[in-house]
Amino acid sequence: NAGVTQTPKFQVLKTGQSMTLQCAQDMNHNSMYWYRQDPGMGLRLIYYSASEGTTDKGEVPNGYNVSRLNKREFSLRLESAAPSQTSVYFCASRQLKSVGELFFGEGSRLTVL
Amino acid sequence: TQLLEQSPQFLSIQEGENLTVYCNSSSVFSSLQWYRQEPGEGPVLLVTVVTGGEVKKLKRLTFQFGDARKDSSLHITAAQPGDTGLYLCAGGIGGSSNTGKLIFGQGTTLQVKP
Repeated sequence: NAGVTQTPKFQVLKTGQSMTLQCAQDMNHNSMYWYRQDPGMGLRLIYYSASEGTTDKGEVPNGYNVSRLNKREFSLRLESAAPSQTSVYFCASRQLKSVGELFFGEGSRLTVL
Repeated sequence: TQLLEQSPQFLSIQEGENLTVYCNSSSVFSSLQWYRQEPGEGPVLLVTVVTGGEVKKLKRLTFQFGDARKDSSLHITAAQPGDTGLYLCAGGIGGSSNTGKLIFGQGTTLQVKP
């Protein structure tokens, strides 16, 4: 059972470069989320998609864009990477938007030089 | 802006001691979840509480949701080295404005020494 799969697991970028983090879930979940995790700051919500076809900003959306490609896939794009975006990024999904367990991927460690 | 304040941020104790982690907010949440995360992995759900005043027990872990659904606590009895990890609380925004948004506290890093 794959659950939530994120790619890539590691990435080094130079300031100004762009990249897309991919996320796919095979649990037929309706809601998907992108978080970033920095030391001492827990998990901060970047964007989320409560259901297929909808996306909404979270706590820290600046510098990011998302696409809910279909029910399975939710990608996160950095158009012009900045050192402040160095972080570990987690994708998560859950069955319904209001209740239920969040299932997380293993994380993607991004370094922006 | 809904905020979840978690305390303490770091806790180092000896095996066998008891501890309590707090999660507080000025906002009302429809549900409150606690997760545990180990290094290099994503968080894993421990418990969900949805009713004000609710208490749930999971072996040596006791979780409580405040009567007003604005705060929660996690109490561990007789901590063991296997309890070491990052503990995170997460609140869901509910009611008529339920958008599916789920926010996390800053986390509590627990170290239990043998």
